[in-house]
Amino acid sequence: AQTVTQSQPEMSVQEAETVTLSCTYDTSESDYYLFWYKQPPSRQMILVIRQEAYKQQNATENRFSVNFQKAAKSFSLKISDSQLGDAAMYFCAYRSGSDNTDKLIFGTGTRLQVFP
Amino acid sequence: DGGITQSPKYLFRKEGQNVTLSCEQNLNHDAMYWYRQDPGQGLRLIYYSQIVNDFQKGDIAEGYSVSREKKESFPLTVTSAQKNPTAFYLCASSIGWGAEAFFGQGTRLTVV
Repeated sequence: AQTVTQSQPEMSVQEAETVTLSCTYDTSESDYYLFWYKQPPSRQMILVIRQEAYKQQNATENRFSVNFQKAAKSFSLKISDSQLGDAAMYFCAYRSGSDNTDKLIFGTGTRLQVFP
Repeated sequence: DGGITQSPKYLFRKEGQNVTLSCEQNLNHDAMYWYRQDPGQGLRLIYYSQIVNDFQKGDIAEGYSVSREKKESFPLTVTSAQKNPTAFYLCASSIGWGAEAFFGQGTRLTVV
């Protein structure tokens, strides 16, 4: 079974600085998709970024980028020029691309605090 | 506007009663999911459905039941067999393989 691990329960960053959130996963599949979601205090889940495992190029969305290391099964999120509005819970998620179950599995989350 | 609607936002029930949480989407998505969120445990998958009239158990299905009679609707029933039902419940939908999931605003269930 696939698992997703986020080993940092909490992280903090100064406004305008850069922070990296870690995520590792375990799978025997070669075809899959990875996501980072943000959950602000409103508890609404918001997609931050998506990565296809077959793509070597790291995904980027404005100030958000990932470091996808397929062999190491690592998928970290880098937030550049951090803003107060980035404060939230961040969840890493895995979705199978090759089996019939189509599960979407989440890690336990990292709480990010942003200090002015 | 297209989206996912969960209702109600807050729900209180007495212990031993069944309760049904509503989830409706107008995104024309095939796949729908139910997650439970507890502090420090992330999102745990309860049930998911890839197509109408079909659904599969997730990791914590015991004490829960679902139906998928219409593409737009995926209600979750929390039964009296669920030992610790107080939690935040999130419903999501997705267009298909590899696509991101879109989430509702959640239902906070409190059993007293």
